[in-house]
Amino acid sequence: AQKITQTQPGMFVQEKEAVTLDCTYDTSDPSYGLFWYKQPSSGEMIFLIYQGSYDQQNATEGRYSLNFQKARKSANLVISASQLGDSAMYFCAATGRRALTFGSGTRLQVQP
Amino acid sequence: GAVVSQHPSWVICKSGTSVKIECRSLDFQATTMFWYRQFPKQSLMLMATSNEGSKATYEQGVEKDKFLINHASLTLSTLTVTSAHPEDSSFYICSARVGRGFDGYTFGSGTRLTVV
Repeated sequence: AQKITQTQPGMFVQEKEAVTLDCTYDTSDPSYGLFWYKQPSSGEMIFLIYQGSYDQQNATEGRYSLNFQKARKSANLVISASQLGDSAMYFCAATGRRALTFGSGTRLQVQP
Repeated sequence: GAVVSQHPSWVICKSGTSVKIECRSLDFQATTMFWYRQFPKQSLMLMATSNEGSKATYEQGVEKDKFLINHASLTLSTLTVTSAHPEDSSFYICSARVGRGFDGYTFGSGTRLTVV
């Protein structure tokens, strides 16, 4: 089983600046996957980035990067050059080959 | 990429009636479908896991007689909310695993249920 903790209910960032969304996890699975999803007001879940527990390098996808620190059990999402369209809920999630377990989410608001 | 089509997108029903939500995998076979519920400003909570041709596995606290899940084929899983009440009003979303790796999950677009 996994437990995901997101301690930032809300975050503000200025347009074009970088922002880090925090995520820590706890799992009993020897291998696992970590995810970040974006959920706009429409409700759809938009996949952003994935990190495997045995991946040696931090994952990157365009403006998104995942700061994976296995010993600290953290998987923070870094968004570079924030855009107004980045305003949404962001969920960290994990899996050990079963259903995804989600954190409580962080609402990001990008200000012009 | 793998797509799960979820219908309806939104539905309003009267208390006591039943509502069926469908999730279809369009270009792959979904042997397992996960059903989540999300209350406003909260996270996605797993309700149940359905496997094609077998009974669904429900999470603790989820009433299996109220939330009927059927996964009769490799491309269709349905969630029926029976005798709906206002407290069942929520956002329901399905998800399927694609492939065998950790990274293969795809989501339906969700169904916003309002019970009046």
